[in-house]
Amino acid sequence: AQKITQTQPGMFVQEKEAVTLDCTYDTSDQSYGLFWYKQPSSGEMIFLIYQGSYDEQNATEGRYSLNFQKARKSANLVISASQLGDSAMYFCAMSFNAGKSTFGDGTTLTVKP
Amino acid sequence: ETGVTQSPTHLIKTRGQQVTLRCSSQSGHNTVSWYQQALGQGPQFIFQYYREEENGRGNFPPRFSGLQFPNYSSELNVNALELDDSALYLCASSSLRASGSYGVKNIQYFGAGTRLSVL
Repeated sequence: AQKITQTQPGMFVQEKEAVTLDCTYDTSDQSYGLFWYKQPSSGEMIFLIYQGSYDEQNATEGRYSLNFQKARKSANLVISASQLGDSAMYFCAMSFNAGKSTFGDGTTLTVKP
Repeated sequence: ETGVTQSPTHLIKTRGQQVTLRCSSQSGHNTVSWYQQALGQGPQFIFQYYREEENGRGNFPPRFSGLQFPNYSSELNVNALELDDSALYLCASSSLRASGSYGVKNIQYFGAGTRLSVL
Protein backbone atom coordinates (compact mmCIF):
# COMPACT_ATOMS: atom_id res chain seq x y z
CA ALA A 1 0.00 0.00 0.00
CA GLN A 2 1.12 3.52 -0.69
CA LYS A 3 1.22 6.03 2.12
CA ILE A 4 2.30 9.63 2.67
CA THR A 5 3.20 10.82 6.17
CA GLN A 6 3.45 14.46 7.17
CA THR A 7 4.48 14.55 10.81
CA GLN A 8 4.16 18.30 11.41
CA PRO A 9 0.52 19.31 11.91
CA GLY A 10 1.55 22.96 12.30
CA MET A 11 4.67 25.03 11.68
CA PHE A 12 5.56 28.65 12.38
CA VAL A 13 8.19 30.68 10.56
CA GLN A 14 9.30 34.29 10.73
CA GLU A 15 8.80 36.33 7.58
CA LYS A 16 11.86 36.23 5.27
CA GLU A 17 13.24 33.09 6.88
CA ALA A 18 13.40 29.62 5.31
CA VAL A 19 11.24 26.70 6.47
CA THR A 20 11.28 22.96 5.77
CA LEU A 21 8.09 20.91 5.67
CA ASP A 22 8.61 17.19 6.13
CA CYS A 23 7.20 14.38 4.00
CA THR A 24 7.97 10.69 4.05
CA TYR A 25 6.40 8.12 1.79
CA ASP A 26 6.03 4.41 1.52
CA THR A 27 5.71 2.47 -1.73
CA SER A 28 7.08 -0.63 -3.37
CA ASP A 29 6.72 0.91 -6.84
CA GLN A 30 9.91 1.96 -8.62
CA SER A 31 8.22 4.60 -10.77
CA TYR A 32 6.34 7.34 -8.98
CA GLY A 33 6.02 11.09 -8.78
CA LEU A 34 6.10 13.32 -5.71
CA PHE A 35 4.24 16.61 -5.50
CA TRP A 36 3.64 19.45 -3.15
CA TYR A 37 0.43 21.45 -3.19
CA LYS A 38 -0.60 24.57 -1.28
CA GLN A 39 -4.16 25.00 -0.07
CA PRO A 40 -5.12 28.48 1.14
CA SER A 41 -8.26 28.98 3.20
CA SER A 42 -10.22 29.45 -0.05
CA GLY A 43 -9.90 25.69 -0.64
CA GLU A 44 -8.25 25.55 -4.04
CA MET A 45 -5.19 23.28 -4.22
CA ILE A 46 -2.27 24.97 -5.95
CA PHE A 47 0.51 22.92 -7.54
CA LEU A 48 3.96 23.97 -6.31
CA ILE A 49 6.61 21.46 -7.36
CA TYR A 50 7.16 17.97 -8.82
CA GLN A 51 9.92 15.36 -8.40
CA GLY A 52 10.08 12.12 -10.38
CA SER A 53 11.47 9.00 -8.73
CA TYR A 54 14.16 8.70 -11.40
CA ASP A 55 15.15 12.37 -11.34
CA GLU A 56 18.73 12.68 -10.14
CA GLN A 57 18.59 16.35 -9.27
CA ASN A 58 16.36 17.95 -6.67
CA ALA A 59 13.52 19.97 -8.18
CA THR A 60 13.38 23.73 -7.76
CA GLU A 61 10.63 26.22 -8.65
CA GLY A 62 11.39 29.78 -7.63
CA ARG A 63 11.38 29.94 -3.82
CA TYR A 64 10.39 26.28 -3.55
CA SER A 65 12.82 23.39 -3.60
CA LEU A 66 12.30 19.72 -2.93
CA ASN A 67 14.89 17.87 -0.87
CA PHE A 68 14.52 14.36 -2.32
CA GLN A 69 16.25 11.53 -0.47
CA LYS A 70 15.18 8.35 -2.21
CA ALA A 71 16.90 5.88 0.10
CA ARG A 72 15.21 7.47 3.12
CA LYS A 73 11.93 7.84 1.19
CA SER A 74 11.64 11.49 2.05
CA ALA A 75 10.61 14.48 -0.06
CA ASN A 76 10.80 17.58 2.09
CA LEU A 77 9.66 20.97 0.81
CA VAL A 78 11.91 23.94 1.48
CA ILE A 79 10.42 27.42 1.18
CA SER A 80 13.02 30.17 1.16
CA ALA A 81 12.41 33.80 2.12
CA SER A 82 8.93 33.15 3.56
CA GLN A 83 6.20 35.67 2.81
CA LEU A 84 2.96 36.37 4.67
CA GLY A 85 1.07 34.98 1.67
CA ASP A 86 2.74 31.60 2.22
CA SER A 87 0.48 31.00 5.23
CA ALA A 88 -1.64 28.03 4.15
CA MET A 89 -2.02 24.26 4.37
CA TYR A 90 0.65 22.29 2.48
CA PHE A 91 0.11 18.78 1.17
CA CYS A 92 2.63 16.24 -0.03
CA ALA A 93 1.28 13.76 -2.59
CA MET A 94 2.48 10.78 -4.59
CA SER A 95 1.28 9.54 -7.97
CA PHE A 96 1.79 6.31 -9.90
CA ASN A 97 1.26 4.91 -13.34
CA ALA A 98 -2.45 5.19 -14.13
CA GLY A 99 -2.46 8.52 -12.39
CA LYS A 100 -3.88 7.68 -8.97
CA SER A 101 -2.62 10.07 -6.32
CA THR A 102 -2.24 9.66 -2.57
CA PHE A 103 -2.09 12.71 -0.30
CA GLY A 104 -0.79 13.23 3.22
CA ASP A 105 -2.84 14.95 5.91
CA GLY A 106 -1.04 18.23 5.47
CA THR A 107 0.95 20.78 7.46
CA THR A 108 -0.44 24.17 8.39
CA LEU A 109 2.20 26.85 7.90
CA THR A 110 1.87 30.21 9.61
CA VAL A 111 4.24 33.01 8.63
CA LYS A 112 4.73 35.61 11.36
CA PRO A 113 5.44 39.25 10.48
CA GLU B 1 -6.47 30.70 -11.79
CA THR B 2 -6.29 27.09 -13.00
CA GLY B 3 -9.18 27.22 -15.45
CA VAL B 4 -10.90 24.40 -13.58
CA THR B 5 -14.37 25.38 -12.44
CA GLN B 6 -16.67 23.50 -10.10
CA SER B 7 -20.33 23.99 -9.39
CA PRO B 8 -22.05 24.55 -7.12
CA THR B 9 -19.68 26.06 -4.55
CA HIS B 10 -21.84 25.05 -1.60
CA LEU B 11 -24.63 22.54 -1.23
CA ILE B 12 -26.83 21.39 1.64
CA LYS B 13 -28.64 18.06 1.38
CA THR B 14 -30.41 15.71 3.75
CA ARG B 15 -29.52 12.11 4.44
CA GLY B 16 -30.77 9.72 1.75
CA GLN B 17 -30.87 12.31 -1.01
CA GLN B 18 -28.82 12.26 -4.20
CA VAL B 19 -26.39 14.94 -5.39
CA THR B 20 -24.59 15.80 -8.63
CA LEU B 21 -21.43 17.89 -8.64
CA ARG B 22 -19.96 19.31 -11.81
CA CYS B 23 -16.47 20.12 -13.04
CA SER B 24 -15.17 21.82 -16.16
CA SER B 25 -11.61 20.83 -16.89
CA GLN B 26 -8.79 23.05 -18.10
CA SER B 27 -8.54 23.49 -21.84
CA GLY B 28 -6.33 20.80 -23.39
CA HIS B 29 -6.70 18.37 -20.49
CA ASN B 30 -8.15 14.90 -21.05
CA THR B 31 -8.32 13.61 -17.49
CA VAL B 32 -10.43 14.47 -14.47
CA SER B 33 -9.93 13.14 -10.97
CA TRP B 34 -12.29 13.57 -8.03
CA TYR B 35 -11.27 13.78 -4.40
CA GLN B 36 -13.11 13.94 -1.09
CA GLN B 37 -11.50 16.09 1.60
CA ALA B 38 -12.92 15.80 5.09
CA LEU B 39 -12.22 18.63 7.55
CA GLY B 40 -8.62 18.58 8.76
CA GLN B 41 -7.56 15.76 6.44
CA GLY B 42 -5.88 15.36 3.08
CA PRO B 43 -7.85 14.67 -0.10
CA GLN B 44 -8.89 11.06 -0.64
CA PHE B 45 -8.94 9.78 -4.23
CA ILE B 46 -12.45 8.80 -5.37
CA PHE B 47 -11.90 8.02 -9.05
CA GLN B 48 -10.36 9.26 -12.24
CA TYR B 49 -11.76 9.57 -15.77
CA TYR B 50 -9.51 9.45 -18.80
CA ARG B 51 -11.04 9.99 -22.23
CA GLU B 52 -14.54 9.27 -20.90
CA GLU B 53 -13.62 5.96 -19.24
CA GLU B 54 -13.09 5.30 -15.52
CA ASN B 55 -9.34 4.91 -15.05
CA GLY B 56 -8.85 3.93 -11.44
CA ARG B 57 -10.97 4.09 -8.32
CA GLY B 58 -10.22 4.60 -4.66
CA ASN B 59 -11.86 2.94 -1.69
CA PHE B 60 -15.34 4.40 -2.17
CA PRO B 61 -18.64 2.48 -2.44
CA PRO B 62 -20.56 2.17 -5.72
CA ARG B 63 -23.00 4.88 -4.69
CA PHE B 64 -20.21 7.25 -5.74
CA SER B 65 -20.31 7.30 -9.53
CA GLY B 66 -19.15 9.58 -12.26
CA LEU B 67 -19.20 10.56 -15.89
CA GLN B 68 -16.87 12.30 -18.26
CA PHE B 69 -18.23 13.99 -21.36
CA PRO B 70 -16.68 14.40 -24.83
CA ASN B 71 -15.51 17.90 -23.88
CA TYR B 72 -13.76 16.28 -20.87
CA SER B 73 -15.97 17.96 -18.29
CA SER B 74 -17.16 15.63 -15.57
CA GLU B 75 -19.85 14.90 -13.02
CA LEU B 76 -19.68 13.22 -9.64
CA ASN B 77 -22.91 11.62 -8.45
CA VAL B 78 -23.50 10.45 -4.92
CA ASN B 79 -26.63 8.44 -4.11
CA ALA B 80 -28.17 7.72 -0.72
CA LEU B 81 -26.23 10.46 1.03
CA GLU B 82 -24.86 9.74 4.48
CA LEU B 83 -23.78 12.20 7.17
CA ASP B 84 -20.13 11.17 6.63
CA ASP B 85 -20.34 12.36 3.03
CA SER B 86 -20.12 15.93 4.33
CA ALA B 87 -16.82 17.20 2.93
CA LEU B 88 -15.11 19.39 0.37
CA TYR B 89 -15.19 17.69 -3.03
CA LEU B 90 -12.31 18.62 -5.27
CA CYS B 91 -12.01 18.12 -8.99
CA ALA B 92 -8.61 18.08 -10.66
CA SER B 93 -7.82 18.12 -14.36
CA SER B 94 -4.63 16.93 -15.98
CA SER B 95 -3.23 15.63 -19.21
CA LEU B 96 -2.26 11.97 -19.26
CA ARG B 97 -0.42 10.36 -22.15
CA ALA B 98 -0.65 6.61 -22.72
CA SER B 99 3.07 6.23 -23.19
CA GLY B 100 6.31 6.66 -21.31
CA SER B 101 5.87 7.54 -17.65
CA TYR B 102 2.11 7.27 -18.00
CA GLY B 103 0.43 8.83 -15.03
CA VAL B 104 3.54 9.40 -12.94
CA LYS B 105 4.03 13.06 -13.82
CA ASN B 106 0.34 13.71 -13.34
CA ILE B 107 0.38 17.38 -12.44
CA GLN B 108 -3.16 18.10 -11.42
CA TYR B 109 -4.85 21.48 -11.52
CA PHE B 110 -7.63 21.79 -8.99
CA GLY B 111 -10.86 23.69 -8.85
CA ALA B 112 -11.96 25.55 -5.72
CA GLY B 113 -14.19 22.66 -4.69
CA THR B 114 -17.79 22.07 -3.73
CA ARG B 115 -18.53 22.05 -0.03
CA LEU B 116 -21.27 19.51 0.65
CA SER B 117 -23.12 19.43 3.95
CA VAL B 118 -25.40 16.47 4.66
CA LEU B 119 -27.90 17.03 7.46
